[in-house]
Amino acid sequence: DVKVTQSSRYLVKRTGEKVFLECVQDMDHENMFWYRQDPGLGLRLIYFSYDVKMKEKGDIPEGYSVSREKKERFSLILESASTNQTSMYLCASRGGRTNSPLHFGNGTRLTVT
Amino acid sequence: DQQVKQNSPSLSVQEGRISILNCDYTNSMFDYFLWYKKYPAEGPTFLISISSIKDKNEDGRFTVFLNKSAKHLSLHIVPSQPGDSAVYFCAASAEYGNKLVFGAGTILRVKS
Repeated sequence: DVKVTQSSRYLVKRTGEKVFLECVQDMDHENMFWYRQDPGLGLRLIYFSYDVKMKEKGDIPEGYSVSREKKERFSLILESASTNQTSMYLCASRGGRTNSPLHFGNGTRLTVT
Repeated sequence: DQQVKQNSPSLSVQEGRISILNCDYTNSMFDYFLWYKKYPAEGPTFLISISSIKDKNEDGRFTVFLNKSAKHLSLHIVPSQPGDSAVYFCAASAEYGNKLVFGAGTILRVKS
């Protein structure tokens, strides 16, 4: 069974801090994704990666960056956290087969004060 | 502008009855559609999908219907069970979809 692990369930950070959210998958999936979930807005794609060191912007990349140095690990970086980045962050992975479903981690609830 | 819309924020159904969750989309390039279920404190889990070449796909108690001309899909759960109480997200992708676009979600409550 696919396992996607997010390193923290809850994080509280201060405005202006640099924040790292880590995600690891154990199924050798090529593709990894970062979404944020907000009430009334559903899940919105921040960034995704289809291979090591490769990344593409999603729909809301502003204020975020990502890093994929190893196939199993995909990191989301908030360069200077702001209160409007308070949200639930969800990491996901999927294999290379066409239309294979996303497998999500349990999420990181980030609060920026 | 949201390309995938779930216009009902919540739905309440009696145990044993049918639950119908609806989803509309605006992008005619979408060719693959999925439903995900999410319990509190867990990530979304894949439930069922349908390709645009079909108009129905069934998996046990779950059936998804696609009406391409109306750009509408629906998820039917029969019979509904209390364990089905969760948030249901509709999602769509285009061109062999590496990007999934999600709706805002519908909270389903199944009352026993």
